[in-house]
Amino acid sequence: KAGVTQTPRYLIKTRGQQVTLSCSPISGHRSVSWYQQTPGQGLQFLFEYFSETQRNKGNFPGRFSGRQFSNSRSEMNVSTLELGDSALYLCASSPGLAGVSETQYFGPGTRLLVL
Amino acid sequence: DQQVKQNSPSLSVQEGRISILNCDYTNSMFDYFLWYKKYPAEGPTFLISISSIKDKNEDGRFTVFLNKSAKHLSLHIVPSQPGDSAVYFCAASPLVRRLTFGEGTQLTVNP
Repeated sequence: KAGVTQTPRYLIKTRGQQVTLSCSPISGHRSVSWYQQTPGQGLQFLFEYFSETQRNKGNFPGRFSGRQFSNSRSEMNVSTLELGDSALYLCASSPGLAGVSETQYFGPGTRLLVL
Repeated sequence: DQQVKQNSPSLSVQEGRISILNCDYTNSMFDYFLWYKKYPAEGPTFLISISSIKDKNEDGRFTVFLNKSAKHLSLHIVPSQPGDSAVYFCAASPLVRRLTFGEGTQLTVNP
């Protein structure tokens, strides 16, 4: 099976702009989660989508949003970019079975640099 | 508050010896624990996991131990190989897909 894919791999934006990142989960996986990795805060959970609905949300401002399509592909959007949004954004997928602890498998990430 | 802590930022071991990486957690709602290996600018690679109903899980050279009363888990790598050099993250989740990660431990295996 192909792994989790993320596009683009690298992105440079300026403050105030917005950005959209894309994630394709492992085939058959219906849950997609997003994480942010920064040197200061480490790896932090952003949100999780399942069946086109946001099921869990981390402690990030409303500038961070996401969506999921019927084929389970997901996008996350960051509006009004700030310098502190520079990070590695990681997408992870899992089957999404209810009431079951699951392993999340990560994509390679999108490196975002905000200037 | 830091709910998952890896107190050792770095660990250096000789090839062939055992590597032991440690992790402590505070949230009693965590019931699934995972270890990931990560290289810079890449996504974490899943290594091994353990459910809270178990106290040990093995997969080849990797063994994870869970001590629920102490809220402590550890990853043992035996024998350690130079290719194991990477940052290792401990992660935990309640019964939802929301991982809380530790700060990571840089493992260096010297030939």
